[in-house]
Amino acid sequence: GAVVSQHPSRVICKSGTSVKIECRSLDFQATTMFWYRQFPKQSLMLMATSNEGSKATYEQGVEKDKFLINHASLTLSTLTVTSAHPEDSSFYICSASEGALDAGELFFGEGSRLTVL
Amino acid sequence: AQSVTQLGSHVSVSEGALVLLRCNYSSSVPPYLFWYVQYPNQGLQLLLKYTSAATLVKGINGFEAEFKKSETSFHLTKPSAHMSDAAEYFCAVSGGNQFYFGTGTSLTVIP
Repeated sequence: GAVVSQHPSRVICKSGTSVKIECRSLDFQATTMFWYRQFPKQSLMLMATSNEGSKATYEQGVEKDKFLINHASLTLSTLTVTSAHPEDSSFYICSASEGALDAGELFFGEGSRLTVL
Repeated sequence: AQSVTQLGSHVSVSEGALVLLRCNYSSSVPPYLFWYVQYPNQGLQLLLKYTSAATLVKGINGFEAEFKKSETSFHLTKPSAHMSDAAEYFCAVSGGNQFYFGTGTSLTVIP
């Protein structure tokens, strides 16, 4: 199946710094990528939908100025957590689809665990 | 609107016993349904998907799920649990260019 690679898998940063997480589709072109946040023992919370060449669509309650998403190419989307604070510590997961979602499937990255000190 | 409900946030089974994880869906159109598995500190891996072909869907690692329209269910089963099956399982339905995930079921396998 299709492969989505996420990097870094773990990152520790100081409060106030910015952290960038990359999501790459390795063997397919992803016009749409999704960013999720997952709290311990909970389900995935959709943060935003990233469309290549256009602005991301953020879910209600997600600060777009805090979580900057860039989808500059068909194989790469990035999530930048700006001015990170301890409450931003979480597991972030990206996913991508090859085409229309309805009958297709989502391919997930390995996830990135962010710890803000 | 689409949604899924997973009954039971935690399920424990003995090794070798039947695994049954429950998922009910709500959809205004014929649904596309999925089961994903997540191991600790990893992303999600597709177990199987239903896309309106056969109602009994076979997936990886011996798992299967049956689509029952009359019961709006898509329960996941495995005849004999293995220790390596211990993980978090998510049911999902797609629609409107989005996926809607259930709250997850944590499966514990007791040796």
